[in-house]
Amino acid sequence: KQEVTQIPAALSVPEGENLVLNCSFTDSAIYNLQWFRQDPGKGLTSLLLIQSSQREQTSGRLNASLDKSSGRSTLYIAASQPGDSATYLCAVRPDRGSTLGRLYFGRGTQLTVWP
Amino acid sequence: DGGITQSPKYLFRKEGQNVTLSCEQNLNHDAMYWYRQDPGQGLRLIYYSQIVNDFQKGDIAEGYSVSREKKESFPLTVTSAQKNPTAFYLCASRTKGPHTGELFFGEGSRLTVL
Repeated sequence: KQEVTQIPAALSVPEGENLVLNCSFTDSAIYNLQWFRQDPGKGLTSLLLIQSSQREQTSGRLNASLDKSSGRSTLYIAASQPGDSATYLCAVRPDRGSTLGRLYFGRGTQLTVWP
Repeated sequence: DGGITQSPKYLFRKEGQNVTLSCEQNLNHDAMYWYRQDPGQGLRLIYYSQIVNDFQKGDIAEGYSVSREKKESFPLTVTSAQKNPTAFYLCASRTKGPHTGELFFGEGSRLTVL
């Protein structure tokens, strides 16, 4: 069974820092990996989707990389701002087996950016 | 605007009552999902459906039921058999296909059992 781990569980940084959030998964047979942001009491907002054939995706100050063979993804946030404070989750979608349609989520990294 | 609508946003239930959470999407997505989120637990999959009139149990299906009679709708019923139903419930959907399939979420429904 696929397991997804996110490190660190929580992170607190001053405004302006560049930071890296980590996601690892145990089974490299994936179709894609998706990063989400969740604000307190809200649903999840999709940030970036990386297909298994891709190495990275960028959106504004966000860059996500994927190393499928080693079971790792990183989310890089440049020049962090207080508005980036949220919980960040990653999810992987397997490419085979009876669980073909579902996604597996990590528990998230709770990020606080202080002014 | 295209999106996923969950209702109600907040729901209070007495013990022993069944309640139904609504999830509607106008994104023309094939697959739909229900997740439960508890503090410190992460997201847990309750049920998912990849096509109309078909659905599969997730990891914590006991005490829940779903239907998928229309492509746009995937309601979740929390039955009295669910022992600890107080939680935040999230509905999601995505397009079908191996190399597409970005997952989108609704805003969630918070259920509290009194």
